[in-house]
Amino acid sequence: NFMLTQPHSVSESPGKTVTISCTGSSGSIASNFVQWFQQRPGRAPTNVIYEDNQRPSGVPDRFSGSIDTSSNSASLTISGLRTEDEADYYCQSYDSSNWVFGGGTKLTVL
Amino acid sequence: QVQLQQWGAGLLKPSETLSLICGVYGGPFSDYYWSWIRQPPGKGLEWIGEISHSGSTNYNPSLKSRVTISVDTSKNQFSLKLSSVTAADTAVYYCASRALWRSDYWGQGTLVTVSS
Repeated sequence: NFMLTQPHSVSESPGKTVTISCTGSSGSIASNFVQWFQQRPGRAPTNVIYEDNQRPSGVPDRFSGSIDTSSNSASLTISGLRTEDEADYYCQSYDSSNWVFGGGTKLTVL
Repeated sequence: QVQLQQWGAGLLKPSETLSLICGVYGGPFSDYYWSWIRQPPGKGLEWIGEISHSGSTNYNPSLKSRVTISVDTSKNQFSLKLSSVTAADTAVYYCASRALWRSDYWGQGTLVTVSS
Protein backbone atom coordinates (compact mmCIF):
# COMPACT_ATOMS: atom_id res chain seq x y z
CA ASN A 1 0.00 0.00 0.00
CA PHE A 2 1.14 3.50 -0.85
CA MET A 3 1.97 5.60 2.21
CA LEU A 4 3.02 9.18 2.83
CA THR A 5 5.43 9.97 5.66
CA GLN A 6 5.71 13.37 7.32
CA PRO A 7 7.81 14.56 10.28
CA HIS A 8 5.75 14.55 13.45
CA SER A 9 6.61 18.13 14.31
CA VAL A 10 8.62 21.15 13.22
CA SER A 11 9.21 24.49 14.88
CA GLU A 12 10.57 27.82 13.76
CA SER A 13 10.57 31.47 14.75
CA PRO A 14 8.29 34.17 13.38
CA GLY A 15 9.58 35.68 10.16
CA LYS A 16 11.62 32.62 9.28
CA THR A 17 11.02 29.97 6.62
CA VAL A 18 10.03 26.36 7.32
CA THR A 19 9.72 23.37 4.99
CA ILE A 20 7.56 20.31 5.74
CA SER A 21 8.37 17.15 3.81
CA CYS A 22 6.06 14.37 2.65
CA THR A 23 7.81 11.24 1.37
CA GLY A 24 6.13 8.59 -0.75
CA SER A 25 6.68 4.93 0.15
CA SER A 26 6.70 3.48 -3.35
CA GLY A 27 6.35 4.40 -6.97
CA SER A 28 6.87 8.00 -7.98
CA ILE A 29 5.43 10.87 -5.95
CA ALA A 30 5.12 12.69 -9.24
CA SER A 31 2.65 10.13 -10.59
CA ASN A 32 -0.27 11.73 -8.75
CA PHE A 33 -0.95 15.24 -7.60
CA VAL A 34 -0.30 16.26 -4.00
CA GLN A 35 -2.48 18.52 -1.88
CA TRP A 36 -1.62 20.16 1.42
CA PHE A 37 -4.15 20.94 4.13
CA GLN A 38 -3.86 23.22 7.15
CA GLN A 39 -5.86 22.30 10.23
CA ARG A 40 -6.18 24.56 13.24
CA PRO A 41 -7.40 23.07 16.55
CA GLY A 42 -11.08 22.25 16.51
CA ARG A 43 -11.51 23.23 12.88
CA ALA A 44 -11.97 21.41 9.60
CA PRO A 45 -8.92 21.18 7.32
CA THR A 46 -8.48 23.87 4.66
CA ASN A 47 -6.67 23.46 1.36
CA VAL A 48 -3.49 25.53 1.07
CA ILE A 49 -1.87 23.80 -1.95
CA TYR A 50 -3.37 21.64 -4.70
CA GLU A 51 -1.90 19.99 -7.80
CA ASP A 52 1.56 19.97 -6.19
CA ASN A 53 2.15 23.72 -6.27
CA GLN A 54 -1.07 25.64 -6.90
CA ARG A 55 -2.53 27.99 -4.32
CA PRO A 56 -6.29 28.40 -3.89
CA SER A 57 -7.45 31.98 -4.00
CA GLY A 58 -7.07 33.61 -0.62
CA VAL A 59 -4.00 31.59 0.39
CA PRO A 60 -1.03 33.97 0.73
CA ASP A 61 1.97 33.52 -1.54
CA ARG A 62 4.03 32.78 1.57
CA PHE A 63 2.79 29.20 1.04
CA SER A 64 4.39 27.20 -1.76
CA GLY A 65 4.52 23.57 -2.78
CA SER A 66 7.03 21.52 -4.70
CA ILE A 67 7.95 18.02 -5.78
CA ASP A 68 11.42 16.46 -5.63
CA THR A 69 11.57 13.25 -7.63
CA SER A 70 15.11 12.45 -6.45
CA SER A 71 13.86 12.01 -2.88
CA ASN A 72 10.36 10.96 -3.93
CA SER A 73 8.93 13.66 -1.77
CA ALA A 74 6.66 16.68 -1.80
CA SER A 75 7.31 19.75 0.28
CA LEU A 76 5.31 22.60 1.72
CA THR A 77 7.32 25.76 2.35
CA ILE A 78 6.00 28.62 4.44
CA SER A 79 8.04 31.80 4.41
CA GLY A 80 7.71 34.86 6.63
CA LEU A 81 6.21 32.71 9.37
CA ARG A 82 3.41 34.20 11.44
CA THR A 83 1.98 32.96 14.72
CA GLU A 84 -1.30 32.32 12.87
CA ASP A 85 0.49 29.67 10.76
CA GLU A 86 0.78 27.46 13.84
CA ALA A 87 -1.34 24.43 12.96
CA ASP A 88 -1.26 20.83 11.82
CA TYR A 89 -0.40 20.27 8.16
CA TYR A 90 -1.34 17.19 6.15
CA CYS A 91 -0.17 16.13 2.73
CA GLN A 92 -2.52 14.05 0.60
CA SER A 93 -2.18 12.18 -2.66
CA TYR A 94 -3.81 9.26 -4.43
CA ASP A 95 -3.29 5.51 -4.73
CA SER A 96 -5.32 4.42 -7.74
CA SER A 97 -8.58 6.25 -7.00
CA ASN A 98 -8.13 6.28 -3.25
CA TRP A 99 -7.07 9.24 -1.17
CA VAL A 100 -3.93 8.76 0.97
CA PHE A 101 -3.03 11.16 3.79
CA GLY A 102 0.30 11.68 5.47
CA GLY A 103 0.33 11.39 9.24
CA GLY A 104 0.41 15.15 9.74
CA THR A 105 3.03 17.61 10.98
CA LYS A 106 2.50 19.94 13.92
CA LEU A 107 4.03 23.33 13.13
CA THR A 108 4.95 25.42 16.15
CA VAL A 109 5.81 29.06 15.59
CA LEU A 110 7.87 29.99 18.62
CA GLN B 1 -19.45 29.53 -3.02
CA VAL B 2 -20.12 25.91 -2.13
CA GLN B 3 -21.01 25.14 1.47
CA LEU B 4 -21.29 21.71 3.05
CA GLN B 5 -23.52 21.16 6.07
CA GLN B 6 -23.47 17.76 7.75
CA TRP B 7 -25.61 16.13 10.39
CA GLY B 8 -26.29 12.81 12.07
CA ALA B 9 -26.30 10.94 15.36
CA GLY B 10 -23.34 11.68 17.61
CA LEU B 11 -23.57 8.83 20.12
CA LEU B 12 -23.78 5.17 19.18
CA LYS B 13 -23.51 1.86 20.97
CA PRO B 14 -21.15 -0.87 19.76
CA SER B 15 -22.55 -2.90 16.84
CA GLU B 16 -24.90 -0.08 15.73
CA THR B 17 -24.75 1.62 12.34
CA LEU B 18 -23.32 5.13 11.97
CA SER B 19 -25.37 7.32 9.66
CA LEU B 20 -24.42 10.82 8.50
CA ILE B 21 -25.73 13.12 5.79
CA CYS B 22 -23.97 15.99 4.04
CA GLY B 23 -25.96 18.70 2.26
CA VAL B 24 -24.37 20.69 -0.56
CA TYR B 25 -25.43 24.31 -1.00
CA GLY B 26 -24.50 27.03 -3.45
CA GLY B 27 -22.78 25.03 -6.15
CA PRO B 28 -23.29 22.59 -9.01
CA PHE B 29 -23.60 19.17 -7.34
CA SER B 30 -22.62 17.34 -10.52
CA ASP B 31 -19.24 19.09 -10.84
CA TYR B 32 -17.68 17.27 -7.89
CA TYR B 33 -16.86 13.98 -6.28
CA TRP B 34 -18.02 13.77 -2.67
CA SER B 35 -15.96 12.21 0.10
CA TRP B 36 -16.09 11.24 3.74
CA ILE B 37 -12.97 11.55 5.92
CA ARG B 38 -12.59 10.89 9.62
CA GLN B 39 -10.19 11.89 12.37
CA PRO B 40 -9.96 9.98 15.67
CA PRO B 41 -9.36 12.23 18.68
CA GLY B 42 -5.79 13.48 18.67
CA LYS B 43 -4.91 11.56 15.50
CA GLY B 44 -4.58 12.14 11.78
CA LEU B 45 -6.98 12.12 8.85
CA GLU B 46 -8.30 8.90 7.32
CA TRP B 47 -10.17 8.79 4.02
CA ILE B 48 -13.30 6.64 4.15
CA GLY B 49 -14.61 6.79 0.60
CA GLU B 50 -15.95 8.83 -2.28
CA ILE B 51 -18.96 8.99 -4.61
CA SER B 52 -19.67 10.75 -7.87
CA HIS B 53 -22.95 12.49 -8.62
CA SER B 54 -23.87 9.49 -10.76
CA GLY B 55 -23.30 7.08 -7.88
CA SER B 56 -19.90 5.60 -8.74
CA THR B 57 -18.03 4.79 -5.51
CA ASN B 58 -14.50 4.17 -4.22
CA TYR B 59 -13.90 2.98 -0.70
CA ASN B 60 -10.91 2.70 1.61
CA PRO B 61 -10.03 -1.02 1.40
CA SER B 62 -9.65 -1.18 5.19
CA LEU B 63 -13.28 -0.09 5.71
CA LYS B 64 -14.91 -1.32 2.52
CA SER B 65 -16.78 -4.24 4.09
CA ARG B 66 -18.65 -1.91 6.47
CA VAL B 67 -19.11 1.28 4.43
CA THR B 68 -21.88 2.45 2.14
CA ILE B 69 -21.84 5.91 0.57
CA SER B 70 -24.88 6.98 -1.40
CA VAL B 71 -26.09 10.09 -3.17
CA ASP B 72 -29.44 11.84 -3.53
CA THR B 73 -29.11 14.25 -6.43
CA SER B 74 -32.68 15.51 -6.01
CA LYS B 75 -31.70 16.94 -2.62
CA ASN B 76 -28.02 17.69 -3.35
CA GLN B 77 -27.06 15.39 -0.49
CA PHE B 78 -24.80 12.41 0.04
CA SER B 79 -24.65 10.08 2.97
CA LEU B 80 -22.39 7.71 4.89
CA LYS B 81 -23.33 4.49 6.62
CA LEU B 82 -20.77 2.54 8.63
CA SER B 83 -22.02 -0.71 10.10
CA SER B 84 -20.99 -2.67 13.20
CA VAL B 85 -19.23 0.25 14.86
CA THR B 86 -16.77 -0.19 17.71
CA ALA B 87 -14.91 2.23 19.96
CA ALA B 88 -12.22 2.40 17.26
CA ASP B 89 -14.73 4.21 15.04
CA THR B 90 -14.97 7.12 17.49
CA ALA B 91 -13.87 10.14 15.49
CA VAL B 92 -14.80 13.47 13.98
CA TYR B 93 -16.32 12.71 10.58
CA TYR B 94 -16.02 15.24 7.77
CA CYS B 95 -17.64 15.45 4.37
CA ALA B 96 -15.62 17.08 1.60
CA SER B 97 -15.61 17.82 -2.11
CA ARG B 98 -13.17 16.95 -4.86
CA ALA B 99 -13.02 18.67 -8.24
CA LEU B 100 -10.35 16.99 -10.33
CA TRP B 101 -7.39 17.10 -7.93
CA ARG B 102 -8.43 19.80 -5.48
CA SER B 103 -10.59 19.66 -2.37
CA ASP B 104 -11.66 23.13 -1.33
CA TYR B 105 -14.89 22.49 0.52
CA TRP B 106 -15.31 20.65 3.80
CA GLY B 107 -18.17 20.24 6.21
CA GLN B 108 -17.92 21.46 9.77
CA GLY B 109 -17.30 17.98 11.16
CA THR B 110 -19.44 15.73 13.35
CA LEU B 111 -18.07 14.02 16.45
CA VAL B 112 -19.32 10.46 16.61
CA THR B 113 -18.69 8.64 19.87
CA VAL B 114 -19.15 4.89 20.21
CA SER B 115 -19.67 3.83 23.79
CA SER B 116 -21.70 1.27 25.66
